[in-house]
Amino acid sequence: ETGVTQSPTHLIKTRGQQVTLRCSSQSGHNTVSWYQQALGQGPQFIFQYYREEENGRGNFPPRFSGLQFPNYSSELNVNALELDDSALYLCASSLFQREDFLTTETQYFGPGTRLLVL
Amino acid sequence: KQEVTQIPAALSVPEGENLVLNCSFTDSAIYNLQWFRQDPGKGLTSLLLIQSSQREQTSGRLNASLDKSSGRSTLYIAASQPGDSATYLCAVRGGSYIPTFGRGTSLIVHP
Repeated sequence: ETGVTQSPTHLIKTRGQQVTLRCSSQSGHNTVSWYQQALGQGPQFIFQYYREEENGRGNFPPRFSGLQFPNYSSELNVNALELDDSALYLCASSLFQREDFLTTETQYFGPGTRLLVL
Repeated sequence: KQEVTQIPAALSVPEGENLVLNCSFTDSAIYNLQWFRQDPGKGLTSLLLIQSSQREQTSGRLNASLDKSSGRSTLYIAASQPGDSATYLCAVRGGSYIPTFGRGTSLIVHP
């Protein structure tokens, strides 16, 4: 058990709809990252939030957006869902200990939300 | 663009064998490399984190080495057990600080 929780565990949506996924970070962590993992692939980095601000983004379109709240919980929002958005969505929390981001942090992952877009 | 390759893609071994899983990356300018384990349909569990200045890390039956100059890391599993069956992923953090994952090695250890 990592202490990182995600909700819901499973979700079915139709193309064009919008979805919000939630993550609760491990106590004491100040950073959260979101990943998309398609079947048989490694996780792909979507973005990372540090102290409520986005500080890194992977190769994902703007319809993927996020929020980090003062209590370090987080949301991933995806608009205009496409069939290829079907995947396991993972969040990971960590503790940045240095302001220059040359961190030694270990990421702790939640169990994921499996999204199916029909 | 950083690319991470893991070999082999799949491995099936009898219990008790010592194993070596390989991870290679194209850009040697990295901050750290992390090995994870993933059980089917589940999240990732961190196994070992190696900083760019380090050569290896050990935890129990696991040992990970890093050779930055050649762009390689290996995960050594001693005396494998059925409970080690999972997918093993390596992830590299480079200059942009964005982590890049390999596709993983799917391991089955049979009794």
